[in-house]
Amino acid sequence: EVQLLASGGGLVQPGGSLRLSCAASGFTFSNYAMIWVRQTPGKGLEWVAGISGSGGLTYYADSVNGRFNISRDKSKNTLYLQMNSLRAEDTAVYYCAKGRVGLNSAMDYWGQGTLVTVSS
Amino acid sequence: DIVMTQSPDSLAVSLGARATINCKCSQSVLNNSNKKNYLAWYQQKPGQPPKLLIYWASTRESGVPDRFSGSGSGTDFTLTISSLQGEDVAVYYCHQYYKNRWTFGQGTQVEIK
Repeated sequence: EVQLLASGGGLVQPGGSLRLSCAASGFTFSNYAMIWVRQTPGKGLEWVAGISGSGGLTYYADSVNGRFNISRDKSKNTLYLQMNSLRAEDTAVYYCAKGRVGLNSAMDYWGQGTLVTVSS
Repeated sequence: DIVMTQSPDSLAVSLGARATINCKCSQSVLNNSNKKNYLAWYQQKPGQPPKLLIYWASTRESGVPDRFSGSGSGTDFTLTISSLQGEDVAVYYCHQYYKNRWTFGQGTQVEIK
């Protein structure tokens, strides 16, 4: 059974940093692209970043480019999102999701999400 | 970025009736090389993550009831729920994964009339 368990969210001050993790199980982690998507409370979905199965390709939304870094550790079956220079508008529930195949594919499994609150 | 516009924003349908949600893309998401439309539909219920319903615009994900169907090509797509059930109350999102800058529609809330 595919499982994605996101963690690492919390309250952080503007300008601060946070690292999110997503522990994956139930599939061959390195074979699939992984994606972070966020959702502002009561609002819609926003893609944040994506990474290929090998980790060699990464893509970012303009809103986070230069501040966030997506990475993955094959030995730990874990996806990460390092978030720096956080802003109030980064406040959201962050979901990790698995691509059906490569980067250009729909997301067939999603974690439960972890809440990030940026506030002083 | 490809802008995805869904209509309507909300929809109230009687139990057993048909529900139709539209999604318009600002650019085509049809790959002419493989003839695939890079368009998916998700269902999200309160307090839950989104659930994949449809990918490649019209392929139903495993385990999804056959009352859900997707259609369209290029820039215009439709999600149809042929006979609305109580458990279908949710927000539905379209999503394009054609360019390596994924975008979502704003969502359509489906309720029971």
